[in-house]
Amino acid sequence: AQSVTQLGSHVSVSEGALVLLRCNYSSSVPPYLFWYVQYPNQGLQLLLKYTTGATLVKGINGFEAEFKKSETSFHLTKPSAHMSDAAEYFCAVSDRDDKIIFGKGTRLHILP
Amino acid sequence: DAMVIQNPRYQVTQFGKPVTLSCSQTLNHNVMYWYQQKSSQAPKLLFHYYDKDFNNEADTPDNFQSRRPNTSFCFLDIRSPGLGDAAMYLCATSRVGQANEKLFFGSGTQLSVL
Repeated sequence: AQSVTQLGSHVSVSEGALVLLRCNYSSSVPPYLFWYVQYPNQGLQLLLKYTTGATLVKGINGFEAEFKKSETSFHLTKPSAHMSDAAEYFCAVSDRDDKIIFGKGTRLHILP
Repeated sequence: DAMVIQNPRYQVTQFGKPVTLSCSQTLNHNVMYWYQQKSSQAPKLLFHYYDKDFNNEADTPDNFQSRRPNTSFCFLDIRSPGLGDAAMYLCATSRVGQANEKLFFGSGTQLSVL
């Protein structure tokens, strides 16, 4: 069965600094991988997804993630953090059985 | 424009008193999902409908039921809520339920059990 581990339940970065949110997955087959963001009092929104092809995936709001099979990782990055990026971020995996399994989430805090 | 709408935003019920949460969608998607999200935990899939076909997760308690009277609406019924059922309940949809598809989420209903 697939699973997702997000390292760090809380991450703080200064405005303008690099954002790095870590995600490792476990899957018995080549996975589909996702990052979702949840702003306060809102539902989850898809940031980006990896299905096949290019391993560097670009998403909305300047975020990107790289699928590294050898490391079973799908870390989320953004070169320069904005105050508006403060939210909870969820990594998710699907091993093609029509179910998506979410990680526990990482709350991103942006320091002025 | 809201595409997946959950009402109410906050719901308070009493221990053991049945409660129903509602979800509607304007996307005409085939698949509707219910997730339970407790504080600092991952959203957990309870069940989903593919059209009228109901798919229950193996570890979803019998206390949780669902109805989908038509494409647009889906309900989550909790027959006898316990204190442990206090959580955010998220409704989501997808077009055809393929594993690589994007999920569209509502804003959730925060359930409190007194």
